[in-house]
Amino acid sequence: GPKVLQIPSHQIIDMGQMVTLNCDPVSNHLYFYWYKQILGQQMEFLVNFYNGKVMEKSKLFKDQFSVERPDGSYFTLKIQPTALEDSAVYFCASTGGSSYEQYFGPGTRLTVL
Amino acid sequence: QQQVRQSPQSLTVWEGETAILNCSYEDSTFDYFPWYHQFPGESPALLIAIRPVSNKKEDGRFTIFFNKREKKFSLHIADSQPGDSATYFCAARTEGADRLTFGKGTQLIIQP
Repeated sequence: GPKVLQIPSHQIIDMGQMVTLNCDPVSNHLYFYWYKQILGQQMEFLVNFYNGKVMEKSKLFKDQFSVERPDGSYFTLKIQPTALEDSAVYFCASTGGSSYEQYFGPGTRLTVL
Repeated sequence: QQQVRQSPQSLTVWEGETAILNCSYEDSTFDYFPWYHQFPGESPALLIAIRPVSNKKEDGRFTIFFNKREKKFSLHIADSQPGDSATYFCAARTEGADRLTFGKGTQLIIQP
């Protein structure tokens, strides 16, 4: 079936540094999402993105977070600067818009030291 | 604030039995209820989903039972197989919004 790819699978970074998480969504999809999952907790919605714009974001989407998809390339989540509480698995998802089904990537495990 | 509650946290059943996973919610504006499963190291994948206009949805061995009045829905896996062992997440979509609210997941183990 359709695949969403995420790069890297793991990232270890020092607190205060910048990190960029990359997502390669399903090729003809138009809507993109990031979710955050802290160990042992549920996945929580961060942000959705359509037509070059953030459509909705949750309170977890701090000012240090940003998303973009320049020229149809990777859909990225940037955190600058990182904080210890940003340690989590970040899942990217995409959907074509004609159905509610969101296709998820395998996640990027981010560890902030 | 946890808006979708999922239980049990873990469940072990024997091969061939029916596994039952439960979820409940509070928000009446939820309009779509999917179940995802996730194998270790892989992406969460949609298994089956239901809209509130129905109280039952079947797909092979997988059935969702939905109770709108009690705000509960459950996933029944009939004739469970060892290959069904995975983590299962229920979720709900807010009407008019484009986001999913997930439960914490149930780790299902099917014993051969």
